[in-house]
Amino acid sequence: DAKTTQPNSMESNEEEPVHLPCNHSTISGTDYIHWYRQLPSQGPEYVIHGLTSNVNNRMASLAIAEDRKSSTLILHRATLRDAAVYYCILRDSGGGADGLTFGKGTHLIIQP
Amino acid sequence: NAGVMQNPRHLVRRRGQEARLRCSPMKGHSHVYWYRQLPEEGLKFMVYLQKENIIDESGMPKERFSAEFPKEGPSILRIQQVVRGDSAAYFCASSPRALGYTGELFFGEGSRLTVL
Repeated sequence: DAKTTQPNSMESNEEEPVHLPCNHSTISGTDYIHWYRQLPSQGPEYVIHGLTSNVNNRMASLAIAEDRKSSTLILHRATLRDAAVYYCILRDSGGGADGLTFGKGTHLIIQP
Repeated sequence: NAGVMQNPRHLVRRRGQEARLRCSPMKGHSHVYWYRQLPEEGLKFMVYLQKENIIDESGMPKERFSAEFPKEGPSILRIQQVVRGDSAAYFCASSPRALGYTGELFFGEGSRLTVL
C-alpha cells in the first residue's frame, strides 16, 4: 500500500467541524482511500472510503482532491466521543490480498 | 449479527510460557487478519489467513509466532516462549472476501497480552 502523511495531532472544540488532512502524493489509479479511527482501548473502526468522488455517510464526509494526491476527512460536528486516532490508508484494489497498512495517524483531541 | 469476537480480552503470562489468542470472525467472513499494536505505537500487520490457508505472513516474526484458521472453529494466534517484548494488544479483523475487495475490515476489541 502507498504511503500517506498525516499531522501527528489536531485539536478542535466540541460541536465544531473538524477537517483532518491526508497527503498521498504517490497514490495509484487503483488505490482506494480509507479512513479508520481507533478510540482509546478499542479496536479500529471503519469510518469511510472513496476512490475519486466525494463521499458522505452517517459518520463523516470524505473530500478527495481532483488529482487524488490528498484528501480530507470531515467530521461535521465533533463530539467528545470523536476523540480518537484517525488513520488515512490507501488500499489497492488491483489484486493485493493483504490487510491494511496503518501509519501513525492523527490524534484528534476534542475540547469541551 | 455478532461482530468479530476475540478472547481472552486480557492475558497475563510469565516469560517462557505460551500464549494463545482466539478470533471468531463475523458470520459469513472467511478472511482473517491479525495485527499487533505495541504501547504508544500504530498497528502492524502480522498475518492474513483464509480458511485453512495462510495467504500472507510477511509481518509475522519468524520464530515463536504461528497462526492458523481451521475449517471449523476460530483463528488462533499462538506465541511460544513469550518474552516481555511480546506485551502488546493483538487485534483481529475479518472481511467477506479478499482479492479486489475494497470495503471495510471489521475489527475485534483486541486481546491484551502482558508478559511478566
